Order: sequence, then C-alpha cells, then structure tokens
Amino acid sequence: TQLLEQSPQFLSIQEGENLTVYCNSSSVFSSLQWYRQEPGEGPVLLVTVVTGGEVKKLKRLTFQFGDARKDSSLHITAAQPGDTGLYLCAGVQTASKLTFGTGTRLQVTL
Amino acid sequence: NAGVTQTPKFQVLKTGQSMTLQCAQDMNHNSMYWYRQDPGMGLRLIYYSASEGTTDKGEVPNGYNVSRLNKREFSLRLESAAPSQTSVYFCASSLLSLYEQYFGPGTRLTVT
Repeated sequence: TQLLEQSPQFLSIQEGENLTVYCNSSSVFSSLQWYRQEPGEGPVLLVTVVTGGEVKKLKRLTFQFGDARKDSSLHITAAQPGDTGLYLCAGVQTASKLTFGTGTRLQVTL
Repeated sequence: NAGVTQTPKFQVLKTGQSMTLQCAQDMNHNSMYWYRQDPGMGLRLIYYSASEGTTDKGEVPNGYNVSRLNKREFSLRLESAAPSQTSVYFCASSLLSLYEQYFGPGTRLTVT
C-alpha cells in the first residue's frame, strides 16, 4: 500500500499556465520534502515543510503543508518549460526513513 | 566535489547472474540509502545505513544485500538476478537520517 498518493499522475500544460500538484496520505508526517527529478538524473530537493499549515515560496513555486500534516500541495505560477520534470513528495514518518509518493510528471510546452 | 557517484550507469544481466552496484559519496555524510524506481511506483527504499557500521532493511529488501564498506561507500548486491529486479537504482546520502537526501545519477538495470 502506497502511503503517499500524488495527483495528478501526469500533467501537460502550456507555458504561462498555473498548476497545482497534490500529495495526500491518511498518515501523519513530522515533515515533508518535495523533490524534482529530470530525465536521466536523480531527484533534487526543492523544499522541506515542517509545521502544519506552513507555506513556503521558492520563486514561482509555492508549497503548503496541511494543518493536520497529512497532505501537501505544490502550486506553480506561470509555468515555464524549465519546470518540466517528475515531482516527488516524501514524508518523514519513522526514524531514518523517507516514504516517497507516486510522483507527478509535468510537461510544459511552448 | 563529485557528490554521489554510482557505477555502472547501465547493466544488462541474465536471470541468475549476480552483480554489485557501487556507490560513493564525498560529502562526509553519515547516512546512505539504496532505492529502486519503477514506473508509477515512485521511489522505494531497499536498504539504508543510518551510520557507518549499521544497515537496515527498507520497504523492498528481498533479493538484495548491502555492505557499508566505510563512511564513503555503500554497495548493493544482487545474488541471483530476476526479471522483477529490472529497474533504475538510485543511491542517496544525507548528513544525518531524515535530512535532505542527495541522489546519485542512477543505474539502469535490465534482467532478461
């Protein structure tokens, strides 16, 4: 059973559009990380959210951790082709281990 | 400063063959991890080493063994490869458990 479900699985949009990716669980996490992975490479950390209700901004990317620390969202404003990639959320639940979500594959076209 | 390096980048094995995937990090990190990535499944933890001298099973350890050779190196061994082990394997490290993880470029393994 996958603890972290991401939606949508695939998203194809045009440059300039806005989008939101969701990461949901029935379990509580002490913190949650978001990674982006480009083809042929390993994931790279974008942000860590720790407090329920926390909002973090990274340029055009806005990350939110749910009040109950069971869910998170990533909102991208005015998407650009450079945002293309696989977005992964990862939850910290037990000592020493992250649980990764199923991933959202984003394609941004001109 | 190379970060996390993995060898080989690509490998094709026949069912029943064995091989070792190598991973090394030069960031003086304490914790190291092995994941496999399959379409639609995200990343699944195979084994991890919270610190030098310790290893623990992750979510999908069956068919694999690991060795934390020293602080820098963490290898993953497939004793008798099976087609179900066809996947992309990533090694990662972090300063301490649960901190930001730094990933290597991956090894694409095909078992026929």
